[in-house]
Parts: sequence; structure tokens; C-alpha cells
Amino acid sequence: DIQMTQSPSFVSASVGDRVTITCRASQGISSWLAWYQQKPGKAPKVLIFLASSLQSGVPTRFSGSGSGTDFTLTISSLQPEDFATYYCQQGKSFPLTFGGGTKVEIK
Amino acid sequence: EVQLLESGGGLVQPGGSLRLSCAASGFTFSSYAMNWVRQAPGKGLEWVSGVTGSGGRTYYADSVKGRFTISRDNSQNTVYLQMNSLRAEDTAVYYCAKDRCGDTCFSDFDPWGQGTLVTVSS
Repeated sequence: DIQMTQSPSFVSASVGDRVTITCRASQGISSWLAWYQQKPGKAPKVLIFLASSLQSGVPTRFSGSGSGTDFTLTISSLQPEDFATYYCQQGKSFPLTFGGGTKVEIK
Repeated sequence: EVQLLESGGGLVQPGGSLRLSCAASGFTFSSYAMNWVRQAPGKGLEWVSGVTGSGGRTYYADSVKGRFTISRDNSQNTVYLQMNSLRAEDTAVYYCAKDRCGDTCFSDFDPWGQGTLVTVSS
């Protein structure tokens, strides 16, 4: 199984801050990586797919990069509505696996 | 607009069974693989199972293999998850999710349903 390791698991940040979350795969997954945002009591929503493709309707302050084993989600200027938990997920092979999540909270 | 609506969750005793349903609309259902993903209370996301567009191939997490069965009825635009021999650790919100990739491949999940809660307890 491919293990996905996210860091950090918790981020305390202020509105306007640049936030970077990393995700490392235990083996190469090419660009088969997605990022999701989940708010309390809600279903996750995809932000980025194929490592760097922005989902339609997602603000351009969100960006993704990386390939192989190391990936990054960047929020260029944190907005109040961005406080949530973020997950990475690999789609290279079964079982499909998620990272443990990164909770972004207000400083 | 793509919509996914899960149903069938509830309280069940350990060892019991439950069948979840996910009714889909707004897209050509048979052209896309479908998945079930779960989230235990206060925990992260866990992919549970996936099925190709035709229903011909199914995939499972090791944690549910041999106990859960995914299936679909393309005439009813519905995907199912039959859950048998339920355990306390199966307690979670279960989400249905459409795969982006296509009918025979899997990549990422968009969109997701609102989820249905399964509680396994005596």
C-alpha cells in the first residue's frame, strides 16, 4: 500500500498569511495526487487534481505542485473561509489512500 | 448539476448488516466509476471501495474485504454498499463519491454526497 504522510498536522495562521502543506508518498505516484478541503460537518471538496490542476470554481490563491513522491498545497493569502482541514489523496494504485490531514486554524 | 444522495445509514448491532444506497443524477452514470469513502468520528478519511462504470470490477480496502460488497444498478443510477459482519470500528460517516477519471479508471473524487452515518453498537 502507498502511505501518504502530510505535514504539519496542525497550522495556526492569520488572515493574509501564506500557508504551505506538504504531502509525501511512500513510493512514486507520478502526478496522481489530489487535495481536498473539509469543513466541520461537511463533505470534502476537491481543490486540486493531478497534482497541480485547479478545480473549476476554486479560488486561484490555491495552488498545487510536485510529482513523484513530494507534493505541496499552497494558499497564497489565507482568507477567513479557508480555515478547514486539508487532505491529500493518491490515485495511483489500490487501495486509494489519504494523508492524515492538516487542520488550519485561526491564530 | 451532479448530485449524490446517500441513504441507509443507522444504528446496528455488532455482527449485523446494513445496505447503503447512493442515488446519482446530473451525469451519465454508467460512464464513471464510483467510490465509497468513510470517516470515523473525529478521524481522517478512509477509502472503502470502488466499482467501475459497468460494475464489472470492484476494489476494496483490506479493512472491509470479505465483509463489504459494492455494486451498482445503472438502470437506477444507484450504487450500493452491502455491509455484513459489522464491527464497532466500522462506525463512521459513509460518503459516496463519483470518480473523475472515467468508467474503468480511478483517480480522485468529485463530487461527494452529504454522507450517511453508520453506528455499530450494542
